[in-house]
Order: sequence, then structure tokens, then C-alpha cells
Amino acid sequence: RKEVEQDPGPFNVPEGATVAFNCTYSNSASQSFFWYRQDCRKEPKLLMSVYSSGNEDGRFTAQLNRASQYISLLIRDSKLSDSATYLCVVILNTGGFKTIFGAGTRLFVKA
Amino acid sequence: GAVVSQHPSRVICKSGTSVKIECRSLDFQATTMFWYRQFPKQSLMLMATSNEGSKATYEQGVEKDKFLINHASLTLSTLTVTSAHPEDSSFYICSARSSPGTSANEQFFGPGTRLTVL
Repeated sequence: RKEVEQDPGPFNVPEGATVAFNCTYSNSASQSFFWYRQDCRKEPKLLMSVYSSGNEDGRFTAQLNRASQYISLLIRDSKLSDSATYLCVVILNTGGFKTIFGAGTRLFVKA
Repeated sequence: GAVVSQHPSRVICKSGTSVKIECRSLDFQATTMFWYRQFPKQSLMLMATSNEGSKATYEQGVEKDKFLINHASLTLSTLTVTSAHPEDSSFYICSARSSPGTSANEQFFGPGTRLTVL
């Protein structure tokens, strides 16, 4: 089983739609959680950190459920510019810190 | 946010040659840098963790004699792909963490180097 698993995608949605991405992690030593965005042939860029209390940044809302080892990202009112691959990222603390990337979920927002 | 640069951004080389990729943190000191490799439509795979002044820690399955990492200063880490072969063609990305030992800190990524071995 992969340490970080994401929805397979791709997600094809019209502009204005709400789309949700899910991510599960298997290692209980997982300590910090992030969503990154990666555009085609570019480096990943931090979208937002994920906290148990949930956090919102404009149209983006991230949630963490430690009991279920589950992370989510909700995008409201999708824009064409939201088209990208969204990476779920987990940092493990196993004596040293190790970053694990999910395989990513591709999103295509169409006019 | 902090800036990480990589050089070169793109390199095409013949099979058997060695290629050096530089990763620099431009406005902060990075005691730890990470090297990733990403094949098309796949996720980033950590190759090694580079610590300033000490030997790099390689992930399982990554040949340390083929992928030489040097982290000589707090702002520079280099990855040398020795005797490159076509299967080494990939997107190589480095990242740096701004504060050592703090898991919550964001990693800042370089723009990546696209290596094509003919």
C-alpha cells in the first residue's frame, strides 16, 4: 500500500463547479500535511497547509481528519486557471523528517 | 516566499557523459536540500537528502555512485549524474527547507532541470 494515496483523476469540470480531492495516508508518524499545485512541466508550489481545525484561503478549503488519516481539498467556483495537478504531501517524523508526495490528481477546468 | 534556483533548466547530452545540476537557495540558508526525480505523469520521487557539510542520505534504490551529491555550502547543493543513460532522462527538482528540523516548514522548490540523454 502506498504511504500517500490520492483520487486517480483526471477531474474534468466546467467553470464555476465545486470539486473535491481526497487523500489518505497510512503512516501514523505523519506529522504535517500540505497541498501543492504543480503545473505542467513546472515545479510544485505550495497551495496551503492542512490543519485539523481546517483552513480556508479564498475559494480553497483544506481539511485534515487524523482519526481517519484523511485529507481533503475543496475548490469552489472553479476557474480555468485552476487546471493543474494537485499533490497531497505528508511529512513523516520517524527520527528524521521525510516528505512523501502523493501521485497527484489532475484537474481540467473547461469553459 | 524564499527563492531556490536551479541551473541548467534544460540539458541534452550524449549517453555516457556526466551532467552537473546546481541548486541554490538565493535568500536564505538551507542546511538541508532535497533532490527529487519526476518521470512523466508520475509523482516526485525523493532521491536523496543533502545535508551541508556531510554525506547525503540516499533513498533505497538510488545509486549513490551514479548520482553524486555535494552540499558544500549553506546555499549550494549539486547533483552530478555520472555516465548518463537514456533511462536517466527525467525532470530533476531540488528543494530546500528554510529552517532545519522543523517539519512544518515549507519546502521551497527550484524550477527543475529537464535532462534528456540521447
